[in-house]
Amino acid sequence: AQSVTQLGSHVSVSEGALVLLRCNYSSSVPPYLFWYVQYPNQGLQLLLKYTSAATLVKGINGFEAEFKKSETSFHLTKPSAHMSDAAEYFCAVSSGQGAQKLVFGQGTRLTINP
Amino acid sequence: NAGVTQTPKFQVLKTGQSMTLQCAQDMNHNSMYWYRQDPGMGLRLIYYSASEGTTDKGEVPNGYNVSRLNKREFSLRLESAAPSQTSVYFCASSGQSNTGELFFGEGSRLTVL
Repeated sequence: AQSVTQLGSHVSVSEGALVLLRCNYSSSVPPYLFWYVQYPNQGLQLLLKYTSAATLVKGINGFEAEFKKSETSFHLTKPSAHMSDAAEYFCAVSSGQGAQKLVFGQGTRLTINP
Repeated sequence: NAGVTQTPKFQVLKTGQSMTLQCAQDMNHNSMYWYRQDPGMGLRLIYYSASEGTTDKGEVPNGYNVSRLNKREFSLRLESAAPSQTSVYFCASSGQSNTGELFFGEGSRLTVL
């Protein structure tokens, strides 16, 4: 079975500060890992994904994440937060086999302070 | 480019009523999914359809039924709605490439009184 734990349901940072959203996963097979973002009253859209290629993955809007197998982590970072980054962020894992039954974390709401 | 379209966007039901959420995708994807989103619980898979003609239960299937009408359409039915089914429902689809990306609709907010 696969599972995802996102540490911190709410994270608040100042504009221009580092954003760090934490994600740890559990998987019995090599995982595919994803970060999705949800803006208010919208569906989810893909930020970035890890599919067993490079361990440092770059996504849209300046976000990146590093796959660390030894720590079973896939933390999301952005060097300098922007007001438009305020949203809810979801980490997800799948086995990458067959239908993509993603298992999602609980979500982290990111607030940006001016 | 419409992507994944869900209807209705909002619905209020009384306990015991039935309704169907409709979903259609125009990306020629094989697989389609229904998730529900509840505060503090992320998204949980209700049912999915790996390909036209097949459906399978996800994590939380009780109280729901689905129909994969054709390759484009995947509907979710609540036969006898309960307050515990108050949630935001998302339909998603994915293609053959197996890179795992899901494309989501904008959601349907359902309230059961």
